[in-house]
Amino acid sequence: AQTVTQSQPEMSVQEAETVTLSCTYDTSESDYYLFWYKQPPSRQMILVIRQEAYKQQNATENRFSVNFQKAAKSFSLKISDSQLGDAAMYFCAYRASSGTYKYIFGTGTRLKVLA
Amino acid sequence: EAGVVQSPRYKIIEKKQPVAFWCNPISGHNTLYWYRQNLGQGPELLIRYENEEAVDDSQLPKDRFSAERLKGVDSTLKIQPAELGDSAVYLCASNSGTSAYNEQFFGPGTRLTVL
Repeated sequence: AQTVTQSQPEMSVQEAETVTLSCTYDTSESDYYLFWYKQPPSRQMILVIRQEAYKQQNATENRFSVNFQKAAKSFSLKISDSQLGDAAMYFCAYRASSGTYKYIFGTGTRLKVLA
Repeated sequence: EAGVVQSPRYKIIEKKQPVAFWCNPISGHNTLYWYRQNLGQGPELLIRYENEEAVDDSQLPKDRFSAERLKGVDSTLKIQPAELGDSAVYLCASNSGTSAYNEQFFGPGTRLTVL
């Protein structure tokens, strides 16, 4: 069975600095998708960035980028120039490209941004 | 465009009482998901619909939980009777197909407290 592990329950970063959130996963599939979702306090979960496993190039979205290491089954999120609005829970998620289309979420990392 | 709508936002009930949650997905989205998010955890899938068909309900505790999506649009999730352990946030999400590239859009959730 697929699993997603986020080993950092909480992280802090100074405003304007860079922070990296870690995620590892386990799967026997060769083709899949990985996601980072952001859940601000009492607000809706939104997609931050996604990565297709067959693509070697790391995905980037403005200040957000990933370091995808397929062999190591690692998928970390880097937030550059952190802003107060980045404070939220961040969830790493996995979905196989075929089969049940079930999303597997990690337990989340709470990011605090210090002014 | 309106997002995923859920109601109520908050619900407090006594154990053994019934409770129902409603979700209206984004117009045109044929795939609808119900998740349960326990405190400090990531979302866990309860049931996934493709149009009006429940295609994955393996994680739905069928002795007390039921769901329906009549006409393949809005959906209702019911718990009867509720137990203390059912206290959680119930999230609804939708997307426009089975492709993982199609982003899941989440609703704000219903926070259930069972006393």
